[in-house]
Amino acid sequence: NAGVTQTPKFQVLKTGQSMTLQCAQDMNHEYMSWYRQDPGMGLRLIHYSVGAGITDQGEVPNGYNVSRSTTEDFPLRLLSAAPSQTSVYFCASSRQPNSPLHFGNGTRLTVT
Amino acid sequence: GENVEQHPSTLSVQEGDSAVIKCTYSDSASNYFPWYKQELGKRPQLIIDIRSNVGEKKDQRIAVTLNKTAKHFSLHITETQPEDSAVYFCAAGDSNYQLIWGAGTKLIIKP
Repeated sequence: NAGVTQTPKFQVLKTGQSMTLQCAQDMNHEYMSWYRQDPGMGLRLIHYSVGAGITDQGEVPNGYNVSRSTTEDFPLRLLSAAPSQTSVYFCASSRQPNSPLHFGNGTRLTVT
Repeated sequence: GENVEQHPSTLSVQEGDSAVIKCTYSDSASNYFPWYKQELGKRPQLIIDIRSNVGEKKDQRIAVTLNKTAKHFSLHITETQPEDSAVYFCAAGDSNYQLIWGAGTKLIIKP
């Protein structure tokens, strides 16, 4: 039982490049979410999903896309990377909305 | 939308003393209030949570209290130990399934 697995752990992008952050969970959780964490600002919700085929925007969705084709996977796509997207990204899942979140280990992204 | 404010941003206490961290929220429809602990370079981990139909919840040295009328909730840690040093985050879950987080409190336990 691996929990929530995020890849990669580190990534450096140039401005304008695109990439996908991968997230998978093996706990059969319906709810999955992506957060970014910047110093002194806590975690901010980017996108979330309450089940396969359903996604919705969080607080800071601009510049990011998500899809949820299966219960297990919830990838986050950066469309055209900008320096403002330099951050640590966490994927998290829970059995249902508003219940304890299980976090992945995070992806540290730097955009130059 | 929901807004969560957390105070203080840094808290330094003597080992063995108690620590209290407070959060206020703006959306009266919020119904789920978790607290997470994050050690340096690691992922956040849930330490305790409370729902809007409960006023207080305890788990050993940790307790959370909720005042729905005033829209604030607090984390209480008693008999603090060195391993309690970390950043603590509160959050509020609203009816739209969004979890909005406070900015965090860095707790320092002095030996």
